[in-house]
Amino acid sequence: DAGVTQSPTHLIKTRGQQVTLRCSPKSGHDTVSWYQQALGQGPQFIFQYYEEEERQRGNFPDRFSGHQFPNYSSELNVNALLLGDSALYLCASSSDENYGYTFGSGTRLTVV
Amino acid sequence: AQSVAQPEDQVNVAEGNPLTVKCTYSVSGNPYLFWYVQYPNRGLQFLLKYITGDNLVKGSYGFEAEFNKSQTSFHLKKPSALVSDSALYFCAVRSDRGSTLGRLYFGRGTQLTVWP
Repeated sequence: DAGVTQSPTHLIKTRGQQVTLRCSPKSGHDTVSWYQQALGQGPQFIFQYYEEEERQRGNFPDRFSGHQFPNYSSELNVNALLLGDSALYLCASSSDENYGYTFGSGTRLTVV
Repeated sequence: AQSVAQPEDQVNVAEGNPLTVKCTYSVSGNPYLFWYVQYPNRGLQFLLKYITGDNLVKGSYGFEAEFNKSQTSFHLKKPSALVSDSALYFCAVRSDRGSTLGRLYFGRGTQLTVWP
């Protein structure tokens, strides 16, 4: 049973560029959440998608946007990249029935 | 507002000794509590969770945690540490109600080092 799959694993972008990160949830999970983990910090909640709608959002600017597809996979888009956006971006899938969260291995984004 | 505190940035123990990694939380409503482990350059691996029921929760790799409602704590424990347990440990909480339902709040993490 495949867990959560994220792509790409590593990415280097220049300030001002745009980036798209992708996530395929664990089989049976219908909810996808995205977290940003800066170096030396705990993960911070960006937003959560359920039934192709943004259900919750954390304290992140509008430069951060997302999408969920009918097959429950999800994308995280970040526009106008800043150096401070450099972090590990984690995707977590879940379903309301089991209260469990399965995390992917993350995408390491470096903005130069 | 929901929050998690992990008061120790680092915990060092000798192999074979018991280990404890501390976590306290603040939440509106009833807490759902989680422990995750992170190895270098990797994502988070689930260890255990408390949703309801028995206050002592047993998880993966011999870890356990005790939910203490009066002290709002959820400390992670293991009777006998292994060198391979060395990693970064995160405690997380979510509420069972309200506008932040489903969102996990994480602590800053505790680096566990087990020396031979």
